Amino acid sequence: QSALTQPASVSGSPGQSITISCTGTSSDIGYYNYVSWYQQHPGRAPKLLIYEVNNRPSGVSNRFSGSKSGNTASLTISGLQAEDEADYYCSSYTSTITLVFGGGTKLTVL
Amino acid sequence: QLQLQESGPGLVQPSETLSLTCTVSGEFITSGFYYWGWIRQPPGKGLEWIGSLFHSGSTYYNPSLKSRVILSVDTSKKKLSLKLSSVTAADTAVYYCARPAVTSFDYFNYWGQGTLVTVSS
Repeated sequence: QSALTQPASVSGSPGQSITISCTGTSSDIGYYNYVSWYQQHPGRAPKLLIYEVNNRPSGVSNRFSGSKSGNTASLTISGLQAEDEADYYCSSYTSTITLVFGGGTKLTVL
Repeated sequence: QLQLQESGPGLVQPSETLSLTCTVSGEFITSGFYYWGWIRQPPGKGLEWIGSLFHSGSTYYNPSLKSRVILSVDTSKKKLSLKLSSVTAADTAVYYCARPAVTSFDYFNYWGQGTLVTVSS
């Protein structure tokens, strides 16, 4: 199975909004609404931000939102803050009962 | 509060078998219907799903690792285990165990801190 495709890096200024894309295929992102997003700070374990495309776990800021169109999912972070600087990973369930992650996107807050 | 803790040898010889344990505290492994996951991350690289194990013992593996990996659970010892055979330098990574908050295969709310395994002679 091939990794989902994410941009290597994105950047934005404090207060702005940014969007990270995650492109898959009709056998993963396009087939199911089982896309999740994780945030990972250096040296730390990943933290779940979004599950099943657009659901936030308890305690996750509503500045984080998810969406999906066709084979591409997106994570939007609004009101960018310095602490949002981290790596972000998407993940999707697949038609062969496996999980696949994206390559990761490094977010820089300017 | 569920806590997960990975442990194992930090250094493994090439061609040998990597064995890791995930100790579960705060809940019984059989307290619910959960898919327990293992994920790894090579230094400086992205996340890779290794496989998932249902508490009953059913297993699901990454096709690229399926021939070399075995996941199992010891409910009496509150431990999950991962065995990866015939390791090479490409298996050097931080290994995480993880679990969702509900019966779900596709995401993980709870993660261990991870344990770094280096494959080298």
